[in-house]
Amino acid sequence: GDSVTQMEGPVTLSEEAFLTINCTYTATGYPSLFWYVQYPGEGLQLLLKATKADDKGSNKGFEATYRKETTSFHLEKGSVQVSDSAVYFCALRGMLTGGGNKLTFGTGTQLKVEL
Amino acid sequence: EAGVAQSPRYKIIEKRQSVAFWCNPISGHATLYWYQQILGQGPKLLIQFQNNGVVDDSQLPKDRFSAERLKGVDSTLKIQPAKLEDSAVYLCASSSPGVFTNTGELFFGEGSRLTVL
Repeated sequence: GDSVTQMEGPVTLSEEAFLTINCTYTATGYPSLFWYVQYPGEGLQLLLKATKADDKGSNKGFEATYRKETTSFHLEKGSVQVSDSAVYFCALRGMLTGGGNKLTFGTGTQLKVEL
Repeated sequence: EAGVAQSPRYKIIEKRQSVAFWCNPISGHATLYWYQQILGQGPKLLIQFQNNGVVDDSQLPKDRFSAERLKGVDSTLKIQPAKLEDSAVYLCASSSPGVFTNTGELFFGEGSRLTVL
């Protein structure tokens, strides 16, 4: 079945540092890939997405590129801020068959950004 | 626009007791999902509704969990009897099918945290 593997956290960085959170996936066919973020005390919300190979999703300074050859969708940001402290979830949506339309999530990576 | 509403936010019960969680999705969203998020794990889909019909409940432990969405709007998830391993955050999410197909965006509530002692 479909699965997503993320690097374990917590990841602790100083403000303005470069961020990479690794994500790899296993799926048949051509899934769509997503990053969701959960800020403290809030629900999960979509951060960015990519629907086909070589697509780059971007939002709020975060980027991720859909790499089919390495089955990866790593999240990056050039300069993190304290306000980026949250839990980040990589997710995929498999082929849209008659079986349903759902997301499969990774375990989440907690990011802590310090001054 | 109001978001996905869930209640209660926190619940502590003894094992073998029962508990119910309620979810009101965003107005007009036909699809409703219940996810279970155990500490240190990613959200796992328990059940998916399309209007008042079940689309996917393959990972719902049906011997103790039940869910309904009788009028195709709000939904209730029940656990009876609860076990220690049911301690988790129960997340409700909703989407408009056409929007989800195009964007993959689900709208989540803040979750209901269950502790089973």
